[in-house]
Amino acid sequence: KAGVTQTPRYLIKTRGQQVTLSCSPISGHRSVSWYQQTPGQGLQFLFEYFSETQRNKGNFPGRFSGRQFSNSRSEMNVSTLELGDSALYLCASSTRGVGDQKLFFGSGTQLSVL
Amino acid sequence: AQTVTQSQPEMSVQEAETVTLSCTYDTSESDYYLFWYKQPPSRQMILVIRQEAYKQQNATENRFSVNFQKAAKSFSLKISDSQLGDAAMYFCAYRSAQGGSEKLVFGKGTKLTVNP
Repeated sequence: KAGVTQTPRYLIKTRGQQVTLSCSPISGHRSVSWYQQTPGQGLQFLFEYFSETQRNKGNFPGRFSGRQFSNSRSEMNVSTLELGDSALYLCASSTRGVGDQKLFFGSGTQLSVL
Repeated sequence: AQTVTQSQPEMSVQEAETVTLSCTYDTSESDYYLFWYKQPPSRQMILVIRQEAYKQQNATENRFSVNFQKAAKSFSLKISDSQLGDAAMYFCAYRSAQGGSEKLVFGKGTKLTVNP
């Protein structure tokens, strides 16, 4: 069974641009969550989606948004990029409410904002 | 709000030896889950071990075991017979069992080096 797939692996943008990151969960997983990882702040929760609905949101500005599609794939969007948005963005999927509910992570998208 | 603290930014261990990574957390909840995740240079977070707070028995997964002290809010990870492949960042994480959210609160991590 394929794992969580995140694309692209690396991305370079300039300040003020916007970016869209993609996450394909493990087949059969309907829950997707996103995390931002930086050297200074560590791992911080962005949001989680289940059945195309946002279930929880972290403490990030409105420039950070996301969505989930009917096939459970998820995208997150960051508008008006700032230098501080440079980070590794990790996606995780789970079966939510079924079985052991373990979270499985992808390898992330490394975003660099210049 | 819950917080997770890992007081050891870096640790090192000799191959085949045992090492213990520390983690403390703060919560007012009685029911929750605790995790240890490993992040190798490939960046993928890999679940090492999970503990349900209502279980008194410490979780064990092969060479990995935890010492869960609920009253002290302590959750340490012991790695026995350390191998070179164990070298990675290790993150302790908390998840509430209330409300249905899968949100994880992570500690800052401990970088483990395994010396041959």
